[in-house]
Amino acid sequence: QSALTQPPSVSGSPGQSVTISCTGTNSDVGNYNRVSWYQQPPGTAPKLMIYEVSSRPSGVPDRFSGSKSGNKASLTISGLQAEDEGDYYCSSYTSSSTYVIFGGGTKVTVL
Amino acid sequence: QVQLVESGGGVVQPGRSLRLSCAASGFTFSSYAMHWVRQAPGKGLEWVAGVSYDGNNKYYRDSVKGRCTISRDNSKNTLDLQMNSLRAEDTSLYYCARSMVGYDSDFDYWGQGTLVTVSS
Repeated sequence: QSALTQPPSVSGSPGQSVTISCTGTNSDVGNYNRVSWYQQPPGTAPKLMIYEVSSRPSGVPDRFSGSKSGNKASLTISGLQAEDEGDYYCSSYTSSSTYVIFGGGTKVTVL
Repeated sequence: QVQLVESGGGVVQPGRSLRLSCAASGFTFSSYAMHWVRQAPGKGLEWVAGVSYDGNNKYYRDSVKGRCTISRDNSKNTLDLQMNSLRAEDTSLYYCARSMVGYDSDFDYWGQGTLVTVSS
């Protein structure tokens, strides 16, 4: 099964908002509210930022928000800060034999 | 605090075997599903395998089915991945990850990874 589709990169100035899209199919994103987002700064392990489409784990700033419409999920970072730079990955439960599928990743750059 | 420490990686020839381990601490290991997720150098994340909290249910991606076995020992708080018939495309950093309770496909804690290099 192919990975979920994410844009390779997004960028914004400090204080701006950026949105990362994550497009799947009716076998994953479109049929289940089990979409997560992970942040991975260079050389570090991934960190859970959003789960179940729009829930934030404790400790994650409310600048990070998630949403979903149809087969597309989105992560929005408001009030962009330098520390937000890194790679971001979406993931979803899938009814295929893969169980969990990830997106290809999006590099966020703070200008 | 929650800690996941992977070990067992290394350089191995194609066709050989390797066993990865993950030592868990700081939480009630037997209450959580666990997973292995890998990342090839410079590439994205790829889910490999998962096991339910009690070890009764196991899941694998298609490309490792029949070659890999995930297991856990709740008395020792350890998670293992036995990898056989290794291929060059298995070369990756392998992460151990914990599922959230009730949300088995959301991974709230990750280890730092152990590197597997398959090369002749």
